Amino acid sequence: GENVEQHPSTLSVQEGDSAVIKCTYSDSASNYFPWYKQELGKGPQLIIDIRSNVGEKKDQRIAVTLNKTAKHFSLHITETQPEDSAVYFCAADTGTASKLTFGTGTRLQVTL
Amino acid sequence: ETGVTQSPTHLIKTRGQQVTLRCSSQSGHNTVSWYQQALGQGPQFIFQYYREEENGRGNFPPRFSGLQFPNYSSELNVNALELDDSALYLCASSLVPQETQYFGPGTRLLVL
Repeated sequence: GENVEQHPSTLSVQEGDSAVIKCTYSDSASNYFPWYKQELGKGPQLIIDIRSNVGEKKDQRIAVTLNKTAKHFSLHITETQPEDSAVYFCAADTGTASKLTFGTGTRLQVTL
Repeated sequence: ETGVTQSPTHLIKTRGQQVTLRCSSQSGHNTVSWYQQALGQGPQFIFQYYREEENGRGNFPPRFSGLQFPNYSSELNVNALELDDSALYLCASSLVPQETQYFGPGTRLLVL
């Protein structure tokens, strides 16, 4: 089955700096890659997603890049703000039964 | 538009008991997926329901069962509770199985 690895497990950046979180996946059939943000006591919130026919997608301060050959994808957050502090999860899906396989999460802390 | 809702928010059970968790999907969504999130881990796929039928199952024993109703709301039932079942149970709905999944706030289950 699919295996998703996520790094780093914790990331501390100063406000205004950029943050990058990286994920690798094992199943070459995976074609959908969402990123979720989870705040304490809440469910995961979709922040951006990308499908395998696209190499990069951007939404304001957030961007995701996908390298299908290397089977890895990354989340980039620019101009970080304290409210970006949360746990971020990457996930992969083959699209057949929408079974999302999640990474282990990255705890991002944005300090003033 | 109403998002995904789950009930109850918190639940305490003892080992061996049975529990039912409930989920109302987002308006217009006919697909519901259930995930288990242990503390400090990413969500793990339990199963998915599409138009009242099970549409994929993860690596969970048969004592985890589900149901989807004609209004597309769903239940997760867990029999013979074990201590390791303590987790946050998340429900996600999507327009159809291959589309983006939107998560509810979760039900936190504690098994003593």
